[in-house]
Amino acid sequence: TQLLEQSPQFLSIQEGENLTVYCNSSSVFSSLQWYRQEPGEGPVLLVTVVTGGEVKKLKRLTFQFGDARKDSSLHITAAQPGDTGLYLCAGALGSNYKLTFGKGTLLTVNP
Amino acid sequence: NAGVMQNPRHLVRRRGQEARLRCSPMKGHSHVYWYRQLPEEGLKFMVYLQKENIIDESGMPKERFSAEFPKEGPSILRIQQVVRGDSAAYFCASSPTSGSKNEQFFGPGTRLTVL
Repeated sequence: TQLLEQSPQFLSIQEGENLTVYCNSSSVFSSLQWYRQEPGEGPVLLVTVVTGGEVKKLKRLTFQFGDARKDSSLHITAAQPGDTGLYLCAGALGSNYKLTFGKGTLLTVNP
Repeated sequence: NAGVMQNPRHLVRRRGQEARLRCSPMKGHSHVYWYRQLPEEGLKFMVYLQKENIIDESGMPKERFSAEFPKEGPSILRIQQVVRGDSAAYFCASSPTSGSKNEQFFGPGTRLTVL
């Protein structure tokens, strides 16, 4: 059983479209990170959310942490080909330093 | 300000050989974590180390795998007598603390292929 479920698993869209990807769990996380990973590279940290209901914006990316700290979403406005990659969410349970990762959403933005 | 460094980036070993993976954390970071990414699976925690101490190795197989983070030099993940199932991408991450915010920064990974 996967602790963090990400959906959709695959997403292919055209440049300029908007999209939302989801990260869901039945567990409560003390913090949740979003990473983007490109082929052959390591995950790159995009954002960390720690407070229920928190919303963070990073240019065209908007991250939201659910009120109960069990889920999160990533919304991308006007997607660009450079946004292509594997988007991973990872959560920390309590004060635990172990990050639990979802399997990711593989996003392809076509020019 | 160099990020987390890992080497080699690619490693090919025959069954039964040893693999040594190295990780240099970001400057100022004293906490190191190793994760393994298997095809079609997410990253899985293996081990957490601080300088000269293994804090948590609960995700690391009991046999053939070991890790260290000496006072001087990089952290090493060592796999003895490799088998085909060890083929994976191994990532190292580092953080300045292990607090609740727990932001971990990842290196580029070592892709291990066992023939």
